[in-house]
Amino acid sequence: RKEVEQDPGPFNVPEGATVAFNCTYSNSASQSFFWYRQDCRKEPKLLMSVYSSGNEDGRFTAQLNRASQYISLLIRDSKLSDSATYLCVVTSTGFQKLVFGTGTRLLVSP
Amino acid sequence: DAGVTQSPTHLIKTRGQHVTLRCSPISGHKSVSWYQQVLGQGPQFIFQYYEKEERGRGNFPDRFSARQFPNYSSELNVNALLLGDSALYLCASSLAGGLGETQYFGPGTRLLVL
Repeated sequence: RKEVEQDPGPFNVPEGATVAFNCTYSNSASQSFFWYRQDCRKEPKLLMSVYSSGNEDGRFTAQLNRASQYISLLIRDSKLSDSATYLCVVTSTGFQKLVFGTGTRLLVSP
Repeated sequence: DAGVTQSPTHLIKTRGQHVTLRCSPISGHKSVSWYQQVLGQGPQFIFQYYEKEERGRGNFPDRFSARQFPNYSSELNVNALLLGDSALYLCASSLAGGLGETQYFGPGTRLLVL
C-alpha cells in the first residue's frame, strides 16, 4: 500500500466549477501536511499547508481529518490557470522527508 | 532573490556511466534535500543534508550518493547508471530542515539514460 494515495484523475471541469480532491495517508505519525501544485514539466510549488482546523486561501480550502487520515482540497470558481497536477504531501517523523502522492491532474476548460 | 538553482537542466547519459548533479539553495538556507520524480509519479525522497551532515536517506541503492559543501550547495552522484534512473531530479532547500518548514524546489535536472 502506498503511503499517500490520490486519485490520478484527470478531473475535467468547466471554468467556474467547484472541484474537490481527496487523499489518504497510511502513517498515523505523520506530522505536517501540504498541497503542492506542479505544472507540466515544472517543479512542484507549495500551494498551501493543511491544518486540522482547516484553512482557506482565496478560492482554495484545505482540510485535514487525522482520525480518518485523509486530506482534502477544494477549489471554487475554477480558472483555466488552475489546470495542473495537485500533489498531496505528508512529512514523515524524525527528519524532513516529504512523502508525495502520485498527484491528481486537473484540466479546466473554457 | 534567486531561488534554488540546479545544473545542468538536461543531461543524456548511457548505461553504466556516472553523473553528478548540482544544486545551490536559496541564500540563507542550510538544508538541502534531493528527490527523484519518474514520469507519472510524485517525487520520491533520496537524501536530506543539513550543515554538511546527512540527516536522512530514502530507499535508494548505494549507487546514489550526495554531499553538501560549506557554502550549503550540494551534489548528487549516481554511479553505474541504469535505464530506470531516467527521471527529473529535484533539489529542495529549507532554512534548517525542520519538519514543518516549507521546502522550495529548484527547476530540476532532467536525466535521460540510454
